[in-house]
Amino acid sequence: QKEVEQDPGPLSVPEGAIVSLNCTYSNSAFQYFMWYRQYSRKGPELLMYTYSSGNKEDGRFTAQVDKSSKYISLFIRDSQPSDSATYLCAMTIGGSQGNLIFGKGTKLSVKP
Amino acid sequence: KAGVTQTPRYLIKTRGQQVTLSCSPISGHRSVSWYQQTPGQGLQFLFEYFSETQRNKGNFPGRFSGRQFSNSRSEMNVSTLELGDSALYLCASSLMEGAWGYTFGSGTRLTVV
Repeated sequence: QKEVEQDPGPLSVPEGAIVSLNCTYSNSAFQYFMWYRQYSRKGPELLMYTYSSGNKEDGRFTAQVDKSSKYISLFIRDSQPSDSATYLCAMTIGGSQGNLIFGKGTKLSVKP
Repeated sequence: KAGVTQTPRYLIKTRGQQVTLSCSPISGHRSVSWYQQTPGQGLQFLFEYFSETQRNKGNFPGRFSGRQFSNSRSEMNVSTLELGDSALYLCASSLMEGAWGYTFGSGTRLTVV
């Protein structure tokens, strides 16, 4: 079992839809949870990060972490064609020796 | 301000050759991390350098190596290339050690034939 599991999709939704992206993980030591967005031919860019359990909202994006279930989610409200990209979850134990463990990414397409 | 610059953007090499990839971090960033991205395995951590010292290393064979210079620029080297080394190699820089505040470059696409 991989440390981080993410459904690769692809996921296709109409413009304006609410999108739900999810990851599960197995290592209970993970403390920091992140979502990255990667456009074609570009490197990943950080969208949101959360420490431990809870919710965080930033504009149309909401990140949720449920450590008891080892499950994290990213919700996108009022999705736009410009949101079409691959979304990667990532997590780390933290500290100076930590590196990110990524999910494989979910490819999202938002149709006008 | 300039982002993370990786050169070259694309590279085609033959099996058995070696290759060197370069990464120039954001000015002031002292940590450089390297990741390999493939469709099958996703993004996997290679190594991290901070102040010219390797601070952390992923689970890759010794054919993969790197270094960091005094100006924080970093290079990674892959010797005796194999077909399975074909991937997008991404460099990320940050102010501090660890996986915080990464800014990724656009990557070097390596194809081994």
